[in-house]
Amino acid sequence: KAGVTQTPRYLIKTRGQQVTLSCSPISGHRSVSWYQQTPGQGLQFLFEYFSETQRNKGNFPGRFSGRQFSNSRSEMNVSTLELGDSALYLCASSFLPLTGEDRETQYFGPGTRLLVL
Amino acid sequence: LAKTTQPISMDSYEGQEVNITCSHNNIATNDYITWYQQFPSQGPRFIIQGYKTKVTNEVASLFIPADRKSSTLSLPRVSLSDTAVYYCLVGARMDTGRRALTFGSGTRLQVQP
Repeated sequence: KAGVTQTPRYLIKTRGQQVTLSCSPISGHRSVSWYQQTPGQGLQFLFEYFSETQRNKGNFPGRFSGRQFSNSRSEMNVSTLELGDSALYLCASSFLPLTGEDRETQYFGPGTRLLVL
Repeated sequence: LAKTTQPISMDSYEGQEVNITCSHNNIATNDYITWYQQFPSQGPRFIIQGYKTKVTNEVASLFIPADRKSSTLSLPRVSLSDTAVYYCLVGARMDTGRRALTFGSGTRLQVQP
């Protein structure tokens, strides 16, 4: 079974631009979560989508948005890019929605490394 | 507000046992405890998960005391390839009011020859 795939793997943008990142979950998985990882802040949860609905959202500004399609593929969009948005953006999929209360395991993709100049 | 607390870094030598402890004082009754491993430029990888007492798999053991306010990941006889960042996860209440898994700051394990 193919793993989680993310495209593109690397991206360079300039301040003020917007960017769209894509994630294809493992076949059959309906939950997709997005994380931002930086050296200073570590792994931070952005949001989670399940069956095309946003279930949870972390503490990020409205410039960060996402969506999920009927085939469970997900996109994340960042508008008006800032230098501080430079990070590794990770996508993770699971079969069921994520809560602390169940045994769901997240499977991560390789990430998209975004550099904002 | 941090949901989990781990040591920032640990050093060990090949062949030693490594124990990484995570504090999660606000763990909810139904929360599970999950540990992930991450190598540079890769996504985190599931290691082990437990609810209480002890869990063991081919990679690690997880010890959880009765009060469940902490957990200890035990890596037997580490090798150089175990050098990575290890994350402890429990549920956390999000902006939506729901609980979701959220990562702590992680422990950077450096294994020396």
